[in-house]
Amino acid sequence: AQKITQTQPGMFVQEKEAVTLDCTYDTSDQSYGLFWYKQPSSGEMIFLIYQGSYDEQNATEGRYSLNFQKARKSANLVISASQLGDSAMYFCAMREGGFGNEKLTFGTGTRLTIIP
Amino acid sequence: DAGITQSPRHKVTETGTPVTLRCHQTENHRYMYWYRQDPGHGLRLIHYSYGVKDTDKGEVSDGYSVSRSKTEDFLLTLESATSSQTSVYFCAISDSGGLTDTQYFGPGTRLTVL
Repeated sequence: AQKITQTQPGMFVQEKEAVTLDCTYDTSDQSYGLFWYKQPSSGEMIFLIYQGSYDEQNATEGRYSLNFQKARKSANLVISASQLGDSAMYFCAMREGGFGNEKLTFGTGTRLTIIP
Repeated sequence: DAGITQSPRHKVTETGTPVTLRCHQTENHRYMYWYRQDPGHGLRLIHYSYGVKDTDKGEVSDGYSVSRSKTEDFLLTLESATSSQTSVYFCAISDSGGLTDTQYFGPGTRLTVL
């Protein structure tokens, strides 16, 4: 089974609208961390936001917020007031607790295109 | 931006030749990682290091070896490159390796094996 599932291969959103990128995860660990990264067409991986499994509040970083629903095992990224520069691939990733937890497990990504 | 550089940035090589990719950091972070990115797979961990001369395998380590003789440098070697190793390779670093520790990525190296 996939540990990280991103069901939207591509999305088109009008500029200035809010957008939600879906991410569901699968783990039996109680301790885990969820990360979102952005990969623009230039290729670099840019860290956006982090949510810990024990965090009671949804994480926020500027225009980015993480809609964390633990019971549903979802960690959707919300981008408010989208901009043209938000066009990129977005990856959800998870780090699980326990021995050997150095690995980030990535989803296959969602390509977001912002339309002027 | 985290001080991470990768060299070379692009390389074309032939099947059967050895290839070494270098990752250099200026952040004095303990952990360093090598990932590969392929369409439909996201990023997958090849090897990582948790200190000088301390390394361990990731999920796709076959055909790869690594070395770390200094804190700032982490080398990835393909002993005999194959076409299946055509990919984009990313180095990442992190400070503590703990659950909340964020990994920061280098610019990537695009490797083509003909």
